Amino acid sequence: KAGVTQTPRYLIKTRGQQVTLSCSPISGHRSVSWYQQTPGQGLQFLFEYFSETQRNKGNFPGRFSGRQFSNSRSEMNVSTLELGDSALYLCASSLGDRASTDTQYFGPGTRLTVL
Amino acid sequence: KNEVEQSPQNLTAQEGEFITINCSYSVGISALHWLQQHPGGGIVSLFMLSSGKKKHGRLIATINIQEKHSSLHITASHPRDSAVYICAVFRMNRDDKIIFGKGTRLHILP
Repeated sequence: KAGVTQTPRYLIKTRGQQVTLSCSPISGHRSVSWYQQTPGQGLQFLFEYFSETQRNKGNFPGRFSGRQFSNSRSEMNVSTLELGDSALYLCASSLGDRASTDTQYFGPGTRLTVL
Repeated sequence: KNEVEQSPQNLTAQEGEFITINCSYSVGISALHWLQQHPGGGIVSLFMLSSGKKKHGRLIATINIQEKHSSLHITASHPRDSAVYICAVFRMNRDDKIIFGKGTRLHILP
């Protein structure tokens, strides 16, 4: 079974632009979570989706948004990029409806650089 | 003060040594996860705990809910265990949000 895939793997943008990142979960997994990892803040929770519904959201500004499609694939969007948005964005999928009680399988991440 | 604290931040040990990484948290939790991140970024989930102890190969994870503390042990450590180990807790309240520790960077020397 294929693992979690994320596209693109690397991305360079300039301040003010917007970006869309994609995540394809493991086949059969219905829960997708997104995380941001930076050297200063470490890992931080962005969103959690289950069956196309956002179940949880972290403490990020409204410039960060996401969605999940009927095939469980998920996208996240960051508008009006800032230098501080440079980070590794990780997606994780799990089988059940709650990431807390289920093993999460992580994708390789998308490394976003904002110039 | 961070809600999840890990210690030590960095650890260098010789191959074969017994390793202990600690995680303390200050909030009520529904679950605690231990993650492993290798250079290059890939993250693997090692354990999911809500009570007691779990063992997988040379890795053992324990949790004491009353003391709000968890430990990850590695027996007979090997250079391939070199990685960052991250503790993550899910807060027990309406939002069930995940909070991560800053990680422990482990380097095992051959």
